[in-house]
Amino acid sequence: AQSVAQPEDQVNVAEGNPLTVKCTYSVSGNPYLFWYVQYPNRGLQFLLKYITGDNLVKGSYGFEAEFNKSQTSFHLKKPSALVSDSALYFCAVRDGGDSNYQLIWGAGTKLIIKP
Amino acid sequence: DAGVIQSPRHEVTEMGQEVTLRCKPISGHNSLFWYRQTMMRGLELLIYFNNNVPIDDSGMPEDRFSAKMPNASFSTLKIQPSEPRDSAVYFCASSHEGYPYEQYFGPGTRLTVT
Repeated sequence: AQSVAQPEDQVNVAEGNPLTVKCTYSVSGNPYLFWYVQYPNRGLQFLLKYITGDNLVKGSYGFEAEFNKSQTSFHLKKPSALVSDSALYFCAVRDGGDSNYQLIWGAGTKLIIKP
Repeated sequence: DAGVIQSPRHEVTEMGQEVTLRCKPISGHNSLFWYRQTMMRGLELLIYFNNNVPIDDSGMPEDRFSAKMPNASFSTLKIQPSEPRDSAVYFCASSHEGYPYEQYFGPGTRLTVT
């Protein structure tokens, strides 16, 4: 069965410091991996994805994520956090070889950036 | 493109009333997803359509919930009768069947059932 784990309910980072939001996954086939961000009272916004190719993918707002097949991880990173990065972050996965198009979602991680 | 459009943005209704939520997907997208988000249960997939056909409705909580997609540009989610435990934010999302794969979300409908 497919699954996604975001082991931290909340991550606290000081502004200007690097941030990491963790995600691990389990799929039987090739993983298609996604990160989304949700600001208060808004819908989810797509940040970045890994489908194939370079393990380091870059996305919106200076975020990047590294696909690690051996550790089945897809951690979200940013070199220097901004207060405006404070939001709820979701990791999602689907099996690329599956005709079922739905995404399996993590529970979300609340990121708090302190000035 | 205007993105995924949902209406209404807010809905307050009394227990027992019928509620209809509406969604217009992004033009050209052929997959549509209805989600529900609550503090207790997080983000849940209720149903998804591909080419206007319901593919997986296993997330629909009970028979009080129904969804339709009469054409490629419109979908509804109906709750009848509504109950207080249905209070949540309901999101609609759409995507291409294939590449580039990511789903695009609407702003959501905040439903409050009193």
